[in-house]
Amino acid sequence: DAKTTQPTSMDCAEGRAANLPCNHSTISGNEYVYWYRQIHSQGPQYIIHGLKNNETNEMASLIITEDRKSSTLILPHATLRDTAVYYCIVRVANTGNQFYFGTGTSLTVIP
Amino acid sequence: GAGVSQTPSNKVTEKGKYVELRCDPISGHTALYWYRQSLGQGPEFLIYFQGTGAADDSGLPNDRFFAVRPEGSVSTLKIQRTERGDSAVYLCASSFDGLAGTQYFGPGTRLTVL
Repeated sequence: DAKTTQPTSMDCAEGRAANLPCNHSTISGNEYVYWYRQIHSQGPQYIIHGLKNNETNEMASLIITEDRKSSTLILPHATLRDTAVYYCIVRVANTGNQFYFGTGTSLTVIP
Repeated sequence: GAGVSQTPSNKVTEKGKYVELRCDPISGHTALYWYRQSLGQGPEFLIYFQGTGAADDSGLPNDRFFAVRPEGSVSTLKIQRTERGDSAVYLCASSFDGLAGTQYFGPGTRLTVL
């Protein structure tokens, strides 16, 4: 599976949109982009995933560039409870492969 | 419905002892994964089960680590002759069929080896 590159840490003001970038320049055509987050002392929580189209659910939006070499996770109105480590992962679909988590982005939402 | 559960939530043991960590996946999920997370790091893969069989155990660090899933549901991660370096949070995840992709994680077991 391809590797990803994320900033180590980011801050965001409460109520503002949090935009978390991820580079995956070596992504293959059959690899999906997944986002998970991990709040302190909890297990990772699934947020969203996509292949090439932008995706939106009740938690977030995922914007994938046309060349699929990068993506952005958007939390539209960040709250203090969104403070967590966010992991961007690429993974081949239709396999049982594990996720390669990396070290993620530590997002701090500031009051 | 109930999510993935793991027991115990915390385990403290002495160097050289044997420990078992249990994972109850989401009902109906055929795929089950074990990961290990050290402080400040992301989770690292240990082993993946599809049904009762280990489909990929390439992440197990050495032969002191072993996992079973005899009936295709509950799984137990077993660590023999524990070492201080085994101290970590052990996470379990399950997926509907291993192909759909999304894995749902439990809260983890924090293992401390003194």
